[in-house]
Amino acid sequence: KQEVTQIPAALSVPEGENLVLNCSFTDSAIYNLQWFRQDPGKGLTSLLLIQSSQREQTSGRLNASLDKSSGRSTLYIAASQPGDSATYLCAAPQRGGGNKLVFGAGTILRVKS
Amino acid sequence: DGGITQSPKYLFRKEGQNVTLSCEQNLNHDAMYWYRQDPGQGLRLIYYSQIVNDFQKGDIAEGYSVSREKKESFPLTVTSAQKNPTAFYLCASSPRTSRETQYFGPGTRLLVL
Repeated sequence: KQEVTQIPAALSVPEGENLVLNCSFTDSAIYNLQWFRQDPGKGLTSLLLIQSSQREQTSGRLNASLDKSSGRSTLYIAASQPGDSATYLCAAPQRGGGNKLVFGAGTILRVKS
Repeated sequence: DGGITQSPKYLFRKEGQNVTLSCEQNLNHDAMYWYRQDPGQGLRLIYYSQIVNDFQKGDIAEGYSVSREKKESFPLTVTSAQKNPTAFYLCASSPRTSRETQYFGPGTRLLVL
């Protein structure tokens, strides 16, 4: 059964710093991996989806990498801003079809101005 | 505007009462999902549906029921059998293919009186 772990659980950084969020998964037979952002009391917003054939995906200041063999993904945020403060969730598919996702507990990010 | 709507935003349940959470999408997506989120935890799948008139249990289906009579709608009923219903409930949808991201609604917070 797929299990997803995210570290650190919380992170506080000064504005402008580059940072890395980590995600690990136990079942490497995945077809993609996704990163989402959640603001307090809100739904999830998709940030990046990396297909299994890709090693990286970029959107603006965000870059996500995927290493299936080691069961790891990282989300790199460049030049962090206070508006980046949110919870970041990683999700990997569960075997058995149906596009079922298994989520990590998330990393709570606070960017201080 | 295309998207997913959930109502109500807040819902209060009395002991022994069944309550129904609404989820509607106008994205023409075949698949729909219900997740539960508890503080400090990731999302857990309650039920999912890949097509109208068909749905499957997720990881924590006990105490919940769903229906999928229309493509646009996937209501979730929290029954009196669910002894710890206080949580944030999120609905999502996706195209049927397993390589697409899921789009999330704004969530419903359920509280027990």
